[in-house]
Amino acid sequence: DAGVTQSPTHLIKTRGQQVTLRCSPKSGHDTVSWYQQALGQGPQFIFQYYEEEERQRGNFPDRFSGHQFPNYSSELNVNALLLGDSALYLCASSLIERYGYTFGSGTRLTVV
Amino acid sequence: GDSVTQMEGPVTLSEEAFLTINCTYTATGYPSLFWYVQYPGEGLQLLLKATKADDKGSNKGFEATYRKETTSFHLEKGSVQVSDSAVYFCALSEGSNFGNEKLTFGTGTRLTIIP
Repeated sequence: DAGVTQSPTHLIKTRGQQVTLRCSPKSGHDTVSWYQQALGQGPQFIFQYYEEEERQRGNFPDRFSGHQFPNYSSELNVNALLLGDSALYLCASSLIERYGYTFGSGTRLTVV
Repeated sequence: GDSVTQMEGPVTLSEEAFLTINCTYTATGYPSLFWYVQYPGEGLQLLLKATKADDKGSNKGFEATYRKETTSFHLEKGSVQVSDSAVYFCALSEGSNFGNEKLTFGTGTRLTIIP
């Protein structure tokens, strides 16, 4: 049973560019959450998607946007990249109304 | 807002030593509390959880008790192994559907066990 799959695993972008990160949830899960983990810090909640809609959002600017597709997979888009956006981006999937997050291994984004 | 404060690391112990990693929290309601572990190159894995006061979560020899009076959820293990080397995160979530509420994490504690 495949867990959460994230792609790419590593990415280098230039300041001002745009980036798209992808997540395939664990089989049977219908909810996807995204977290940003800066070096040496704990993960911070970006947003959560369920039924293709943003269900909850953390304190992140509008440059961060997302999408969920009918097959429950999700994308995280970040526009106008800043150096401070360099981080590990984690995707977590779950089944709505049931406990149990499964985290992916993350995408390491470096902005230069 | 909600916050989690955990013991700063890194923590280095010898194999078979006793482990305590302190965690305290601030929350407006009655949160559920979690410990997650992150091994190198891997995603976060749930280690244990507790959903109400005085609950004790336990897994793989690790334990933590939800103490409402001290707003704490300290992680303990009686005898650590080299394989326990990882980064440990304390976290909380508000709301009744704790499975799908956002998690608020502490900054993490890196644990290294020396043979």
